[in-house]
Amino acid sequence: AQRVTQPEKLLSVFKGAPVELKCNYSYSGSPELFWYVQYSRQRLQLLLRHISRESIKGFTADLNKGETSFHLKKPFAQEEDSAMYYCALSVTMNSGYSTLTFGKGTMLLVSP
Amino acid sequence: KAGVTQTPRYLIKTRGQQVTLSCSPISGHRSVSWYQQTPGQGLQFLFEYFSETQRNKGNFPGRFSGRQFSNSRSEMNVSTLELGDSALYLCASSFTGGVSTDTQYFGPGTRLTVL
Repeated sequence: AQRVTQPEKLLSVFKGAPVELKCNYSYSGSPELFWYVQYSRQRLQLLLRHISRESIKGFTADLNKGETSFHLKKPFAQEEDSAMYYCALSVTMNSGYSTLTFGKGTMLLVSP
Repeated sequence: KAGVTQTPRYLIKTRGQQVTLSCSPISGHRSVSWYQQTPGQGLQFLFEYFSETQRNKGNFPGRFSGRQFSNSRSEMNVSTLELGDSALYLCASSFTGGVSTDTQYFGPGTRLTVL
């Protein structure tokens, strides 16, 4: 069965430090992965998707199929990056259509 | 464009009651997905509707049901409420859903507390 694992519930770093939020997945199909973010008192929103290979707000994530990982990285953390981050996997259901399976999330706290 | 709206924002019910939650998608979006969010289990997929048809269903008991109307608005219903149903229920809409390239936009959620 498909699964998304985010091993850290909380990651606390200082401003300017590098950040790596870990995500591992288990899926028999072709993986398509995403990072969603929820800032305080805001809605859950898409941060980036691996197929776009883009950098959003300085964050990047590379899909590593060998290690079944999709870690989110940023070289220099900012206080405004403090938020809850969810890794998500697009799963094709029996219907032939896809849905999202989420990890349990990692809270990133960036201190001044 | 107005975002996804969910009503009510907060609900308190007692065990055994039933509850109906509503979700209005972004204009033009035809797919609506529902998720249950709890501290222990995180975000779990409930079901997805497209053009008034349930297209996907997660692993939840039959007490959880939903529907979608011709204007794409969706409701979910939980019957015979249990304490464990206390959660934040999130709705997300997208243009067509069902494909990974279609971005889901989330609503603010309905906080359900079962006493």
